[in-house]
Amino acid sequence: DAKTTQPNSMESNEEEPVHLPCNHSTISGTDYIHWYRQLPSQGPEYVIHGLTSNVNNRMASLAIAEDRKSSTLILHRATLRDAAVYYCILRDDVNRDDKIIFGKGTRLHILP
Amino acid sequence: SAVISQKPSRDICQRGTSLTIQCQVDSQVTMMFWYRQQPGQSLTLIATANQGSEATYESGFVIDKFPISRPNLTFSTLTVSNMSPEDSSIYLCSGGAGVPTEAFFGQGTRLTVV
Repeated sequence: DAKTTQPNSMESNEEEPVHLPCNHSTISGTDYIHWYRQLPSQGPEYVIHGLTSNVNNRMASLAIAEDRKSSTLILHRATLRDAAVYYCILRDDVNRDDKIIFGKGTRLHILP
Repeated sequence: SAVISQKPSRDICQRGTSLTIQCQVDSQVTMMFWYRQQPGQSLTLIATANQGSEATYESGFVIDKFPISRPNLTFSTLTVSNMSPEDSSIYLCSGGAGVPTEAFFGQGTRLTVV
C-alpha cells in the first residue's frame, strides 16, 4: 500500500472549520483516497473518499490536489463530538485487496 | 451500510488460556478482517478471514496463535490462544464489499490478560 503522511495532532476551536492535511506523494492512478475516524472507545468509522475530484457529504468535504499527491479533509464546523483520530488511507482499486492498512493518523482536539 | 457486532465486548482472562471472539455482520460482505489495537496505538491488521478456507495472515501473526474461522459470509471468529499479558489489547473485526466502498468496523473486544 502507498504511504500517507499526516500530522500527529491538531487543535481547533469549536464551531470553526478544520482542515486536516494528508500527503501521499507515491499515490498511483488507481488508488482511492479514504478517510476514516476513530472516536474514543469506538471502532473506526468511514468519513469520505474520493479519486480525483473534490467530494462533499453530510460529514465533511475532501479536497484533492490536482496532482493527487495530497488531500485535505475539511470539517466545516467542528463540534466536540468531532474529537477523534483521523486516518487518511489509500485503497487500491486494481488489486481489490480491500484490506485497510492504518497509519498513525491525526489526533484532533476540539477546544470548547 | 452494515452493522458489525462483536462478542464479548470485554473480558479478563488468565494467562495460558484462550479466548474466542465472535464477529457478526448484519448483511453479506465480501471481505472480513481482524485487527489488533494496543493502548494508544493505531490499528494493526492481523489477517483476512476467508470464507470456507484458511485465513491469510499478515507478517508477524501466525495461525497457531490467532486461529480464524469464517464459515459463511456474515460470521467470523478470532481465537487468541495461550494468552500472555502481551496479548492485552483491543481486537476489532471489519467487513466490506470491496474497494472503493466503505469498510465497517465493530466496536472492538477489550481483552485483558492477567
